[in-house]
Amino acid sequence: DAMVIQNPRYQVTQFGKPVTLSCSQTLNHNVMYWYQQKSSQAPKLLFHYYDKDFNNEADTPDNFQSRRPNTSFCFLDIRSPGLGDAAMYLCATSRDWSGSHEQYFGPGTRLTVT
Amino acid sequence: AQSVAQPEDQVNVAEGNPLTVKCTYSVSGNPYLFWYVQYPNRGLQFLLKYITGDNLVKGSYGFEAEFNKSQTSFHLKKPSALVSDSALYFCAVRDSASGGSNYKLTFGKGTLLTVNP
Repeated sequence: DAMVIQNPRYQVTQFGKPVTLSCSQTLNHNVMYWYQQKSSQAPKLLFHYYDKDFNNEADTPDNFQSRRPNTSFCFLDIRSPGLGDAAMYLCATSRDWSGSHEQYFGPGTRLTVT
Repeated sequence: AQSVAQPEDQVNVAEGNPLTVKCTYSVSGNPYLFWYVQYPNRGLQFLLKYITGDNLVKGSYGFEAEFNKSQTSFHLKKPSALVSDSALYFCAVRDSASGGSNYKLTFGKGTLLTVNP
């Protein structure tokens, strides 16, 4: 089945130690998104790629970076994680960014910062 | 700017009873409306959407939603709730008008549905 895959599902890192989360998709969708979700709150969009075009949200901290080396893969890099960065990180894809297309979400990576 | 409100943090229903999870929205153009469900420690799962056409939209797992333009609402419904429907439900909206941040999907804060046996 076509899907969005995130690895690892659970990640523990130390305060200030860089960490990378990965996402892959078999849907061949043009758009990939990274969301941060805390404590069953609404997901917060960090950034998205339309193909290789990167779009950063204005309030996304510089500590968060992303790479999309090809259509299938996208990475979230947290350069110096703080305790406040502990959250569920969700990757999502959509066929296009026009309004009618739903987003498909991966299972998420739960990040713990010690 | 677009926004969406889910006025109830929690909804409790008995198994077999009908359920309603409420959602209202605000957009400048026409709305594209979505419902997602999230089970514990999982990603969001798409349930249904309204783009245009029939106001009653049918989706996965027996869920449906009714678009009401005059009341700017898009309530999620199911005729007979199951214990397995217990989860966190998010309503989301995107404005059909292009430009600015309209590409973003704006989520409500979520409603925790508990179906009691």
